[in-house]
Amino acid sequence: AQSVTQPDIHITVSEGASLELRCNYSYGATPYLFWYVQSPGQGLQLLLKYFSGDTLVQGIKGFEAEFKRSQSSFNLRKPSVHWSDAAEYFCAVGHSMNYGGSQGNLIFGKGTKLSVKP
Amino acid sequence: NAGVTQTPKFQVLKTGQSMTLQCAQDMNHNSMYWYRQDPGMGLRLIYYSASEGTTDKGEVPNGYNVSRLNKREFSLRLESAAPSQTSVYFCASRREEQETQYFGPGTRLLVL
Repeated sequence: AQSVTQPDIHITVSEGASLELRCNYSYGATPYLFWYVQSPGQGLQLLLKYFSGDTLVQGIKGFEAEFKRSQSSFNLRKPSVHWSDAAEYFCAVGHSMNYGGSQGNLIFGKGTKLSVKP
Repeated sequence: NAGVTQTPKFQVLKTGQSMTLQCAQDMNHNSMYWYRQDPGMGLRLIYYSASEGTTDKGEVPNGYNVSRLNKREFSLRLESAAPSQTSVYFCASRREEQETQYFGPGTRLLVL
């Protein structure tokens, strides 16, 4: 069965420090991969996505992620964190094929909450 | 474009009461989804609709029903609310050519 693991429930970094959020997936083929961000009390906003091609993808707000097939990982990175980046981050995997109409369905990790110290 | 809208924003129910959560999108997307979000659980798919006139169960469908009223609207109904259904509910729609889901702002539901 497909699954997504975000090993870190909560991470605290200092403003200006670099950030890496981990995501590992289990999927039988090359998946579609996504990172979403959720600010407190808000809905989810897409940060970036990977479908194919270049394994390093750039997203909004200065975020990037790297797809590593050999490690089944899709880690999110940012070189310098801003206080406004404090939020919860969700990694998700989507079906790349049509499994009985479920193409496009997403499976989410449990999220990593990011706190930023001044 | 308003994107994906949800009503109400917040609702308190007593056990056994019924209610319908409304969702609408103005992006002409075929696919729509209902998720629930609980602390430490991420988002879990309740029901989805791949196109107008079709609906399918997701991971946690028990206690819920859905209606795809037309291409724009996808509603979620709780026939007899239970405290275990206290959650934040998100609706989403998908742009097929980008395989990307766009989310509404959520409905916070408290069942007493």
